[in-house]
Amino acid sequence: QKEVEQDPGPLSVPEGAIVSLNCTYSNSAFQYFMWYRQYSRKGPELLMYTYSSGNKEDGRFTAQVDKSSKYISLFIRDSQPSDSATYLCAINTNAGKSTFGDGTTLTVKP
Amino acid sequence: EAQVTQNPRYLITVTGKKLTVTCSQNMNHEYMSWYRQDPGLGLRQIYYSMNVEVTDKGDVPEGYKVSRKEKRNFPLILESPSPNQTSLYFCASSIGQGTQETQYFGPGTRLLVL
Repeated sequence: QKEVEQDPGPLSVPEGAIVSLNCTYSNSAFQYFMWYRQYSRKGPELLMYTYSSGNKEDGRFTAQVDKSSKYISLFIRDSQPSDSATYLCAINTNAGKSTFGDGTTLTVKP
Repeated sequence: EAQVTQNPRYLITVTGKKLTVTCSQNMNHEYMSWYRQDPGLGLRQIYYSMNVEVTDKGDVPEGYKVSRKEKRNFPLILESPSPNQTSLYFCASSIGQGTQETQYFGPGTRLLVL
C-alpha cells in the first residue's frame, strides 16, 4: 500500500465549477501537507502549505487537513481554464522526507 | 531573481557512462532535494539535504549519489546509468528544514539512457 494515495482522475469540469481534489495518507509521522500545481512540461509550483488540521484559504484555493482521518483536500472555487493542470499532494515528515501522490489531471472547459 | 537552475536540461547517454546533473540555487536555502517523475507516478524523492554535508535517502535512492559541499549546490550523480533511470528529474530547494514553505523547483532535466 502506498503511503500517500491520491484520487486518480482525470477530472473534467465546466468553468466556474467547484473542484475537489483529495488524498489520503497512512503514516502518522507526516506533519506537513502541500499541494502543487504542475503545468505540462513545467516544474511543480507550490500552491498551498499547511501543518495543522483545519482549513487554509488563499484566494480561490482552500486546503483542508483532517489529521484524525489522515485525509487532505484541495478545493478550487470558480474554476478557470487556466487552472487546467496536474495537481499533486505531498506530505513531509519533520526530518525532510517527502512523499507525493501520483497526481490528478484537471481540465476546466470554457 | 530567485531561482533554481539545473544543467543539462536534456541528456541522452548510454548505459554505464557516468554523468552528473547539477543543481544550484541563489536563495541561501538550507533544504534541497532531488526527485524523479515518471508517467503516472507523481514525484518520487531520490535524496534530500537538510544542510551542508547532511544528506539522506528518499524513497528511490538506488543507483544515485549526491553531495552537498556548498549550500547553493546539490549535484546528482549517476555512477553507472541504466535504462530504468530514464526519467524527468527535478531539483528543489526551500527555506526551512523539514518544511516546504516557500519551495522552488528547477525546470527539470530530461534524461534518456540507451
